Amino acid sequence: QITLKESGPTLVKPTQTLTLTCTFSGFSLSTNGVGVGWIRQPPGKALEWLAFLYWNDDKRYSPSLNRRLTITKDTSKMQVVLTMTNVDPVDTATYYCAHAKLNGNWYFDLWGRGSLVTVSS
Amino acid sequence: SYELTQPPSVSVSPGQTARITCSGDALPKKYAYWYQQKSGQAPVLVIYEDNKRPSGIPERFSGSSSGTMATLTISGAQVEDEADYYCYSPDSTGNHWVFGGGTKLTVL
Repeated sequence: QITLKESGPTLVKPTQTLTLTCTFSGFSLSTNGVGVGWIRQPPGKALEWLAFLYWNDDKRYSPSLNRRLTITKDTSKMQVVLTMTNVDPVDTATYYCAHAKLNGNWYFDLWGRGSLVTVSS
Repeated sequence: SYELTQPPSVSVSPGQTARITCSGDALPKKYAYWYQQKSGQAPVLVIYEDNKRPSGIPERFSGSSSGTMATLTISGAQVEDEADYYCYSPDSTGNHWVFGGGTKLTVL
């Protein structure tokens, strides 16, 4: 059974760096055709894809946030970490990590419950 | 940047058929996927690869795609189907992932 759980601070000050951790179980990020992505959702707004990490450590980022995001993995700890620099109140959102698989296209088939992050001084 | 366009809202009575559309220029070459998100919950995949249903998703959920438009159909919508629905698809390069703006389905 695949599970994912997001963790990190609930409150971050503007200009600080946000670090979020996705701890997963039930799959290996070393397996061909597996990936993990981060998606966020501001209160009352739509989902927004942020970053993606492939099983082979290749990475992709949202073009609009590319300069502020870094996604990494710790395979032994079964964790994927997202860092976002220079946060702003507009970054207030629920941040989700999700398991992705390749079947035709890459898509997210299972999601964590999300972690609400508020950016405020 | 690539965009997927959905209607903001759709409303049907219980038992009626609800149709939610998603338009995007890359859809003729890329699959569409649909997620259901109930209030306060994480999204759940209800349709993948245009028209396939994951295990556990009721048969009343179906999907189709033609040209630049994909459609999620809920046949005989039920009150418990009230939720926000998001379409998702990669852009033409396959390197970036895009969600539609979401459609709020009301069943009453």
